[in-house]
Amino acid sequence: NAGVTQTPKFQVLKTGQSMTLQCAQDMNHNSMYWYRQDPGMGLRLIYYSASEGTTDKGEVPNGYNVSRLNKREFSLRLESAAPSQTSVYFCASSETSGYTDTQYFGPGTRLTVL
Amino acid sequence: QQQVKQSPQSLIVQKGGISIINCAYENTAFDYFPWYQQFPGKGPALLIAIRPDVSEKKEGRFTISFNKSAKQFSLHIMDSQPGDSATYFCAASPAGGFKTIFGAGTRLFVKA
Repeated sequence: NAGVTQTPKFQVLKTGQSMTLQCAQDMNHNSMYWYRQDPGMGLRLIYYSASEGTTDKGEVPNGYNVSRLNKREFSLRLESAAPSQTSVYFCASSETSGYTDTQYFGPGTRLTVL
Repeated sequence: QQQVKQSPQSLIVQKGGISIINCAYENTAFDYFPWYQQFPGKGPALLIAIRPDVSEKKEGRFTISFNKSAKQFSLHIMDSQPGDSATYFCAASPAGGFKTIFGAGTRLFVKA
């Protein structure tokens, strides 16, 4: 049981480049989330998917797109990376809405945009 | 603006002491208040959580105190150990779920 896995672990991009962060969970959870973590800002929700086939914006969605490929996988795409997107990105999943059920986090992707 | 304000930013406690981290919120729609623990290089993990219908919840050495009228809640770590050294995040979720808001985090260091 791997839980939530993320690839890659580290990435360096140049301004304007694009990339996709991959996330998969093997807990048969319905809901999945993408967060970014910045010093002094905590974790901020970028997008979430309440169930397969649905996605919704979170607190900081600008500059990102997401795809819920199937129940297991939820990807985050940066179409034209900017230095302001330098951050650590975490994927999480929960059985339902995350309201009173636990969110399980992946190990994170550390992204640097030059 | 931060909807959940967390303090202090960092905390140094002697082994065996009590660590206290405080959080405050404004939005009365928040209805579930979890605390997450994060070790360096790892993702956050749920530590303990509380609903506003109770004023205190204890799990082992960890206790959440909740003051609904003041819109404040705090984490107390009793008999703090070096293994408790980590970053702690308070959070708040609305009744509908999904859009959990996190505090800025507190870096705790427990001196042996």
